[in-house]
Amino acid sequence: NAGVMQNPRHLVRRRGQEARLRCSPMKGHSHVYWYRQLPEEGLKFMVYLQKENIIDESGMPKERFSAEFPKEGPSILRIQQVVRGDSAAYFCASSRDTGDTEAFFGQGTRLTVV
Amino acid sequence: AQSVTQLGSHVSVSEGALVLLRCNYSSSVPPYLFWYVQYPNQGLQLLLKYTSAATLVKGINGFEAEFKKSETSFHLTKPSAHMSDAAEYFCAVLPTNAGKSTFGDGTTLTVKP
Repeated sequence: NAGVMQNPRHLVRRRGQEARLRCSPMKGHSHVYWYRQLPEEGLKFMVYLQKENIIDESGMPKERFSAEFPKEGPSILRIQQVVRGDSAAYFCASSRDTGDTEAFFGQGTRLTVV
Repeated sequence: AQSVTQLGSHVSVSEGALVLLRCNYSSSVPPYLFWYVQYPNQGLQLLLKYTSAATLVKGINGFEAEFKKSETSFHLTKPSAHMSDAAEYFCAVLPTNAGKSTFGDGTTLTVKP
């Protein structure tokens, strides 16, 4: 039973490019959460999605960031026109349902903007 | 709304000594509480979780934590530190009405030989 799969593990983008981060939840999980970890900081919630629905995006920056979790395929976190301050580790977690007390985390995607 | 405060961003202990990592929380509803460990360039691994059953929770690698409602605390302990325990530790709170977890800023544990 594969865990939460994130790819790529490392991503380098030049300022102004787009970054696409993918997250495949665990089998049977329909809830996905994205978190960002800036250097020397804890994890900050970004967005919570179910299949085809954004449930809570209160942690998403207002501009350049978007997320989706289509009916088929992985969840995508998209960052347009990246800036140096976007450099961070982005973690995805998944859970079975709303009442599930445990979310399982992926290995993260480390984005470096040069 | 919920929040988590981890007291001490860096903790250093000698091998074989007691490990104590502090976590205080606030939550508007009864919470679930978690401790995660993160090794360099790795994801988060769940150490243990409190879900309103026993207040003393035992986890992996010899760690345990005690939920104290009166003190709104969920401190992590291990009787005897091992070199392999050196990592960053995160406390997190999840409201029982579901939704997103809130994480503390983390505590880096260093174990000296």
